[in-house]
Amino acid sequence: DAGVTQSPTHLIKTRGQHVTLRCSPISGHKSVSWYQQVLGQGPQFIFQYYEKEERGRGNFPDRFSARQFPNYSSELNVNALLLGDSALYLCASSLEGLAAVLYNEQFFGPGTRLTVL
Amino acid sequence: QKEVEQNSGPLSVPEGAIASLNCTYSDRGSQSFFWYRQYSGKSPELIMFIYSNGDKEDGRFTAQLNKASQYVSLLIRDSQPSDSATYLCAVNQGTGGFKTIFGAGTRLFVKA
Repeated sequence: DAGVTQSPTHLIKTRGQHVTLRCSPISGHKSVSWYQQVLGQGPQFIFQYYEKEERGRGNFPDRFSARQFPNYSSELNVNALLLGDSALYLCASSLEGLAAVLYNEQFFGPGTRLTVL
Repeated sequence: QKEVEQNSGPLSVPEGAIASLNCTYSDRGSQSFFWYRQYSGKSPELIMFIYSNGDKEDGRFTAQLNKASQYVSLLIRDSQPSDSATYLCAVNQGTGGFKTIFGAGTRLFVKA
């Protein structure tokens, strides 16, 4: 079975532009979470979606938004890019419903490396 | 105080030794705890998860959880050079909306 997939692999943007990152979860997984990881730090939680609804949000500005589609794939959108948005963006999927989300391990995709110039 | 704290390392151990990685967390409402391994340039890979106080063993890995002390650890027995990576501690919190908090990670070097 395929794991979590993300696209694109790498992306270069300039300040002020907008970017859309995409994620497809493992087949059968209904929950998707997004993380930002800068070099030397652990992943920082951005959003968690389950059944197309936002279930959790980290401390990120409103320039960051996401959505989940009926097939459980997800998009992360970032507007008005800043240099500090340069990072590895990770998507993770997990299996079950809301109550079980807390107890379910997450499986990460390979990430999208975003560079903002 | 950081929500999840780990020693950044690097932690260096000889091949065959036991590597001990530690993590503390601040939110007493935290409900589940995870250890991920991340090789340079790769995404995190789940190694262990633990929900209840005590020890949980899986092969060469043992996770230990002490909720009273807000402490979780990972022991790697018979360390191998291939275990050299950054180990991330992650904590799931359900209060005020779901979120997962990661520590900054501990770099482990296993010397052949």
